[in-house]
Amino acid sequence: DQQVKQNSPSLSVQEGRISILNCDYTNSMFDYFLWYKKYPAEGPTFLISISSIKDKNEDGRFTVFLNKSAKHLSLHIVPSQPGDSAVYFCAASAGSNYQLIWGAGTKLIIKP
Amino acid sequence: DSGVTQTPKHLITATGQRVTLRCSPRSGDLSVYWYQQSLDQGLQFLIQYYNGEERAKGNILERFSAQQFPDLHSELNLSSLELGDSALYFCASSVGSPGDTQYFGPGTRLTVL
Repeated sequence: DQQVKQNSPSLSVQEGRISILNCDYTNSMFDYFLWYKKYPAEGPTFLISISSIKDKNEDGRFTVFLNKSAKHLSLHIVPSQPGDSAVYFCAASAGSNYQLIWGAGTKLIIKP
Repeated sequence: DSGVTQTPKHLITATGQRVTLRCSPRSGDLSVYWYQQSLDQGLQFLIQYYNGEERAKGNILERFSAQQFPDLHSELNLSSLELGDSALYFCASSVGSPGDTQYFGPGTRLTVL
């Protein structure tokens, strides 16, 4: 039972354009969502998070949007840069539950 | 550099064997998490320790066990290894509040032959 789904295994975007990575979830108890970025041979690195009381959080080139009614969140990267090429994981947690539930990841490729 | 260290970086062993993976958390973090990432899969949460005590348990097999020591480093013990246990094992640390940012180590790649 995949509670957090990233349906696109990979995404290719031109440098300078917008990258949009999507994540869907099924558990309505999730109230905190995080995006992590992972380069090969390294551990995941925290990128940005959002609480369920908000619908948008912005940090520089990265913006996360949360649509609770659709149980959907997305990560926007504008403008996309070559260094953004990595695997992006969406993760979620519920209330006092410390466990993060992870999606399978989306590999983002930025083309020059 | 996240500040989380994991040793060894690579481990190759045979089926039926037992191995120990080690993790040192970031300075000041009380919580340690262990994850397994099999090929092309997401991260599977195994177990969490907070200040020496087990706090949360995920999909951890009975053949696997972990502990956190008084100096807060943690070890993940994998026994009776099977081919399917080949994976990347990540350790992460955090302050220890629900949903707080977890900082990951570089991982240990385990290959079971």
